[in-house]
Amino acid sequence: DAGVTQSPTHLIKTRGQHVTLRCSPISGHKSVSWYQQVLGQGPQFIFQYYEKEERGRGNFPDRFSARQFPNYSSELNVNALLLGDSALYLCASSVTSTLRDTEAFFGQGTRLTVV
Amino acid sequence: QKEVEQNSGPLSVPEGAIASLNCTYSDRVSQSFFWYRQYSGKSPELIMSIYSNGDKEDGRFTAQLNKASQYVSLLIRDSQPSDSATYLCARGGLTGGGNKLTFGTGTQLKVEL
Repeated sequence: DAGVTQSPTHLIKTRGQHVTLRCSPISGHKSVSWYQQVLGQGPQFIFQYYEKEERGRGNFPDRFSARQFPNYSSELNVNALLLGDSALYLCASSVTSTLRDTEAFFGQGTRLTVV
Repeated sequence: QKEVEQNSGPLSVPEGAIASLNCTYSDRVSQSFFWYRQYSGKSPELIMSIYSNGDKEDGRFTAQLNKASQYVSLLIRDSQPSDSATYLCARGGLTGGGNKLTFGTGTQLKVEL
């Protein structure tokens, strides 16, 4: 069975540019969440989507946005990139929107470098 | 006070020993807790989930939860060099809805031959 897939795996962008990261959840999973992980830290929550609706948003600026499609795949968009946006971006999928009695599984991540 | 706290380590144990990883959290509302393993340059991999007080065992791994003390731990028996990684503790979203995980900074485990 395919796990969570993310694309691209690596990306280099210039300050001020825009980036779109993509995620396909595990088959049958309807919830997708996005996390940012900088070196030496745990992942930080950015967004959660369930059934195409935003269910949660972390403490990130409006430059970050996301959406979920009818097939439950998702995109994370970041505008006006800053050097500090360089990080590993992780997508996690789970069956439902709640964490009680369910578990979240991560994709391999997208390594974004902003120069 | 951080919401989820872990000792960053490194924690060094000899091969075959028991590794004990600890995590504390700041609220009394959290209902779900998770341990993830992350190898260098890779994404987190779910090892265990625990929702009730007490112990939960899965193979060489045992998770322990004490909600009164706001403490969760992971024991790894018969540690192997392949267990060398960073272990991330996470708690589930406070609202009970929404797939928000709050992570600690992780504990680096080194299993030595």
